Amino acid sequence: GAVVSQHPSRVICKSGTSVKIECRSLDFQATTMFWYRQFPKKSLMLMATSNEGSKATYEQGVEKDKFLINHASLTLSTLTVTSAHPEDSSFYICSARRSASTDTQYFGPGTRLTVL
Amino acid sequence: ILNVEQSPQSLHVQEGDSTNFTCSFPSSNFYALHWYRWETAKSPEALFVMTLNGDEKKKGRISATLNTKEGYSYLYIKGSQPEDSATYLCAYSSGSARQLTFGSGTQLTVLP
Repeated sequence: GAVVSQHPSRVICKSGTSVKIECRSLDFQATTMFWYRQFPKKSLMLMATSNEGSKATYEQGVEKDKFLINHASLTLSTLTVTSAHPEDSSFYICSARRSASTDTQYFGPGTRLTVL
Repeated sequence: ILNVEQSPQSLHVQEGDSTNFTCSFPSSNFYALHWYRWETAKSPEALFVMTLNGDEKKKGRISATLNTKEGYSYLYIKGSQPEDSATYLCAYSSGSARQLTFGSGTQLTVLP
């Protein structure tokens, strides 16, 4: 159990367009989902934490108007990169946590975004 | 130490060799230390969660230890196999935030 899917796995878009990435927990309900970004040769950097039905909490330096997060249900969170720029090109990965009593996060396979 | 640091950044070992890597983390306000294995094109897979000083966990040929007083954890792989090739990430959570702060990982390549 504890499978998380992420879609799409790879996306290429033009500058100025918006891209939506979906993160789904397939066999459990996730009270909290997380969005990370990975820069080349760097560790996973937490962008935001989202709880179902409430606004996401963004980490310092992450623009909430640029990276829109919606956590509409206990199994789905979406990240929308708005008005994408080439510097937004990166690897984005989500994770989900079953409950507040555990720290363990279950990860999706990630999305490689390339903005031309 | 303010961040999570892992060493070495990468290593190559021969099939059958045993190996180990290090994760250093802030020792103050510690809550838990996690190890993940991340194979290319797959999702990071949770290996261990450790919370108590002196904890040791084992899963097949892989084991991990935890020292919360000095802020380090070791991951050991006994008799490495090519399928062990992956990036091994550690992450720590503190008592206040309960979010995971990741190291940059150790990329292991096991040569047949």
